[in-house]
Amino acid sequence: ETGVTQSPTHLIKTRGQQVTLRCSSQSGHNTVSWYQQALGQGPQFIFQYYREEENGRGNFPPRFSGLQFPNYSSELNVNALELDDSALYLCASWIWGQPAPYGYTFGSGTRLTVV
Amino acid sequence: AQSVTQLGSHVSVSEGALVLLRCNYSSSVPPYLFWYVQYPNQGLQLLLKYTSAATLVKGINGFEAEFKKSETSFHLTKPSAHMSDAAEYFCAVSVRDNFNKFYFGSGTKLNVKP
Repeated sequence: ETGVTQSPTHLIKTRGQQVTLRCSSQSGHNTVSWYQQALGQGPQFIFQYYREEENGRGNFPPRFSGLQFPNYSSELNVNALELDDSALYLCASWIWGQPAPYGYTFGSGTRLTVV
Repeated sequence: AQSVTQLGSHVSVSEGALVLLRCNYSSSVPPYLFWYVQYPNQGLQLLLKYTSAATLVKGINGFEAEFKKSETSFHLTKPSAHMSDAAEYFCAVSVRDNFNKFYFGSGTKLNVKP
């Protein structure tokens, strides 16, 4: 059984650029959630995808968008990067309908630095 | 609405001393509760989770936490700190619904002195 893998592990972007982060879900997991962890803070929920549709969103602007693919891998896209977007981005995969304590699995994250 | 408050952004203990990290939660429905540990430049590692099966929950590396509904608390303890316990610890709450959204506290950095 594979876990949740995220790529890349680190990247540096310039303010105003666009970035795509990738997440490969654990085998059999049909739902993915994305979180942003700014320096010195706890992770905050960005959005989640189930059946390739966004079905939940936190307090993040529309320039944060995502995609989920039929093989359950997913992407987080951020347009018009701002310095405050510098953070660790975590994805978590799970099975829709299964309670969180039973299988909700976080990846190791992508560290994004915006300069 | 759900929220988590972790009292003390930094806690320092001596090696061998008791570790106590405080977490209070707010939830409109019975919650699931979690403690995660994060080492520098790494992701989240699950320490333990509360699912209502037992109020005292034992986790990895000798950690445990007790769910106290009357106090809305889920404090993390370890009888004897090791140097390797130095890390940041996050308490989180999840609502018992299909969306499984997690709400995290702001974290507590644990320093272990030799």
